Amino acid sequence: DAMVIQNPRYQVTQFGKPVTLSCSQTLNHNVMYWYQQKSSQAPKLLFHYYDKDFNNEADTPDNFQSRRPNTSFCFLDIRSPGLGDAAMYLCATSRGDRDTDTQYFGPGTRLTVL
Amino acid sequence: GQNIDQPTEMTATEGAIVQINCTYQTSGFNGLFWYQQHAGEAPTFLSYNVLDGLEEKGRFSSFLSRSKGYSYLLLKELQMKDSASYLCAVLNSNYQLIWGAGTKLIIKP
Repeated sequence: DAMVIQNPRYQVTQFGKPVTLSCSQTLNHNVMYWYQQKSSQAPKLLFHYYDKDFNNEADTPDNFQSRRPNTSFCFLDIRSPGLGDAAMYLCATSRGDRDTDTQYFGPGTRLTVL
Repeated sequence: GQNIDQPTEMTATEGAIVQINCTYQTSGFNGLFWYQQHAGEAPTFLSYNVLDGLEEKGRFSSFLSRSKGYSYLLLKELQMKDSASYLCAVLNSNYQLIWGAGTKLIIKP
């Protein structure tokens, strides 16, 4: 089945220790997104790639970086995680059509910072 | 600014009908989405409306009025598994998806 896969599902890291979250997709979608979602809040878009074009949201901290080495994979690097970065990180993809561009989500990675 | 408003929490009874409202103010409009999100899981797509009116999909229906900046999600014949958060999101004129904080729906037997 075509899908969006995130690894790991649960990640524990220490304060200040770099961590990388990964996302892969078999949908062959052009656009990949990274969201941060804290409890009972709306998902917050961190960045997205339209193919290889990188788009950073204005309020995304420099501590967050992303890489998309090919169409199928996208990585989120948190260089120095703080306690406030504990959250669910959601990867989503979409075809990139202007109309009806539905986003499909992976299962998420829950990050705990000790 | 842009914002999406929806109730924080609602409670309903198994077998009943519930309507979850969403109002929005965004810079332009290119469609409205409803997603379901169970606790600790990712959002899953439920519906998309871009024209005024009602779209029905089984037990779930979604309504849009663009002139009023208003949508609702109607859930019929509620089941315990419908307990989840329901997120409203609007695609604005820049094709950015603006998200509401979600409505937590609690179903009681």
